[in-house]
Amino acid sequence: GQQVMQIPQYQHVQEGEDFTTYCNSSTTLSNIQWYKQRPGGHPVFLIQLVKSGEVKKQKRLTFQFGEAKKNSSLHITATQTTDVGTYFCAGPGVTGGGNKLTFGTGTQLKVEL
Amino acid sequence: NAGVTQTPKFQVLKTGQSMTLQCAQDMNHEYMSWYRQDPGMGLRLIHYSVGAGITDQGEVPNGYNVSRSTTEDFPLRLLSAAPSQTSVYFCASSPDWSSYNEQFFGPGTRLTVL
Repeated sequence: GQQVMQIPQYQHVQEGEDFTTYCNSSTTLSNIQWYKQRPGGHPVFLIQLVKSGEVKKQKRLTFQFGEAKKNSSLHITATQTTDVGTYFCAGPGVTGGGNKLTFGTGTQLKVEL
Repeated sequence: NAGVTQTPKFQVLKTGQSMTLQCAQDMNHEYMSWYRQDPGMGLRLIHYSVGAGITDQGEVPNGYNVSRSTTEDFPLRLLSAAPSQTSVYFCASSPDWSSYNEQFFGPGTRLTVL
């Protein structure tokens, strides 16, 4: 079945440093979604990428979708303590997947002052 | 709108006990799903429903039952709890079956099976 892996599993940074998490799928994705989960909370939708090579920005967050639509990345510039949490990518199958999302293993970000 | 609600927030069971985790949404969403979250394993799909009266299995369905008698409610039943079912359970919903819809998650139920 489809597998979605994320690296790294954990990342500790000093406030102000940049952070990147990478997402790789074993199959081509029709689109990819990113979610953020604060400690003790639930996943919250951040963004969706659909097109090959697409880049989207949300303030200090930059999301990219690979040309082959099998990988994606999330980059945070100048991290803040509010960025703490676990970031998940999620993708449906190319055909017939519907909303049957496969979630990545997640990257847990800790930001130290 | 309350969004997606889940009860209880916390639950401790003994091995062999049964229970139902409740999930409700007030957004008139057709698609609802249950995930379990375990450390280092992300979110794994247990069961999902594309509308009232229609359910199907996800990645890890064994030991769980679901039904969808109304659009609003999607309860998850543990038939005979096992320690391996200790996890955090999230219910999610989205407007319809389309893969281009974001998922709205409930606050989760933290289940411990002793």
